[in-house]
Amino acid sequence: EVQLVESGGGVVQPGGSLRLSCAASGFTFDDYAMHWVRQAPGKGLEWVSLISGDGGSTYYADSVKGRFTISRDNSKNSLYLQMNSLRTEDTALYYCAKDIYEQQLALTMTAYDYWGQGTLVTVSS
Amino acid sequence: DIQMTQSPSSVSASVGDRVTITCRASQGISSWLAWYQQKPGKAPKLLIYAASSLQSGVPSRFSGSGSGTDFTLTISSLQPEDFATYYCQQANSFPPTFGQGTKLEIK
Repeated sequence: EVQLVESGGGVVQPGGSLRLSCAASGFTFDDYAMHWVRQAPGKGLEWVSLISGDGGSTYYADSVKGRFTISRDNSKNSLYLQMNSLRTEDTALYYCAKDIYEQQLALTMTAYDYWGQGTLVTVSS
Repeated sequence: DIQMTQSPSSVSASVGDRVTITCRASQGISSWLAWYQQKPGKAPKLLIYAASSLQSGVPSRFSGSGSGTDFTLTISSLQPEDFATYYCQQANSFPPTFGQGTKLEIK
């Protein structure tokens, strides 16, 4: 059974940093690209970042580029999101999500077939 | 970025009803559209990908159609567990973008 379990959320002041983690199980982790998607309270879904299966390629939404860094440790079946220079508008529930296709990287023509339960990040003074 | 617009934003329906939700892309996206269901306090669940492919384990009362700019999600006979918010997502152009959601409520 595929499981994705996020952790690391919390309350942080504007300008602060936080590191999210996502522990994966039930599939061959390094065969799949992984994503972070967020959802502000009461709002819709926003794609945040993508990393290839081998970790060699990363992509970001313009709203987080230069502030967030996605990474993965395939030996630990774990995905990470380092968030720096946090802003109030980064307040959201952050989900990790698995790419549907067994391929190293696909910027397009894909979907997310498994999602974690989310970890809440609140940026507030 | 491609803008995705869903209609209606909310809809009320009864158990057994047939419901259709529409998603329109600001430019053509071929057939690279996915539909997700989200219940309160839960993560999104993939229902349909590539516009009309039913995800494994999803009941056959859910179906998707469309190509280009106009897409629909149809629930043929609403069940109590189908009351939720539905999102479309385009995957034809990077970055991926979602619609604003359609809340399906009990009448």
